[in-house]
Amino acid sequence: DVKVTQSSRYLVKRTGEKVFLECVQDMDHENMFWYRQDPGLGLRLIYFSYDVKMKEKGDIPEGYSVSREKKERFSLILESASTNQTSMYLCASSSRGGGRQPQHFGDGTRLSIL
Amino acid sequence: GDSVTQMEGPVTLSEEAFLTINCTYTATGYPSLFWYVQYPGEGLQLLLKATKADDKGSNKGFEATYRKETTSFHLEKGSVQVSDSAVYFCALSGTGFQKLVFGTGTRLLVSP
Repeated sequence: DVKVTQSSRYLVKRTGEKVFLECVQDMDHENMFWYRQDPGLGLRLIYFSYDVKMKEKGDIPEGYSVSREKKERFSLILESASTNQTSMYLCASSSRGGGRQPQHFGDGTRLSIL
Repeated sequence: GDSVTQMEGPVTLSEEAFLTINCTYTATGYPSLFWYVQYPGEGLQLLLKATKADDKGSNKGFEATYRKETTSFHLEKGSVQVSDSAVYFCALSGTGFQKLVFGTGTRLLVSP
């Protein structure tokens, strides 16, 4: 089974801090994704990556950056955290194969910015 | 752009009742369609998928048929259990790179 592991289940940070969310997958997947989940809005794509050192903006990239130095690891960075970034963050991975391949999700990090 | 619309929740049912959660989509080309489930405190799990018109995806008693003529992918189960209580997300992936577009989710509550 695919395992996607997010480093923290719960995280509390202060406004203005630089925040790192880490995600590791163990199935040698090429594609990795970061979403945020908010009530009534579903999941929204922040950034994705289809290869090491490659990244693409999703639908809501403002205030975020990402890093993919190794194939198995994809980091989401909040450069200067703000209260409107309080949310559930979900990481996912998938193999190459176009739109038919499902994405596999981690358990999420619930981030609170105070 | 591509979009997914699913029914508002919560859907409240008694155990052994029949379940339908409606999902319709707007997309160019021939998207793949998915249902994901999120149990409390967990991430999303793939429930079922269909990759072309008239395909039926099925898993754990749940079914959904890809209807291109009505642009729909409704989720059904003949007899729900308390353990099916969760949030269900309909999603599509367009042709080409596999960005998923999600609906807003439907919460299902099943009582004994």
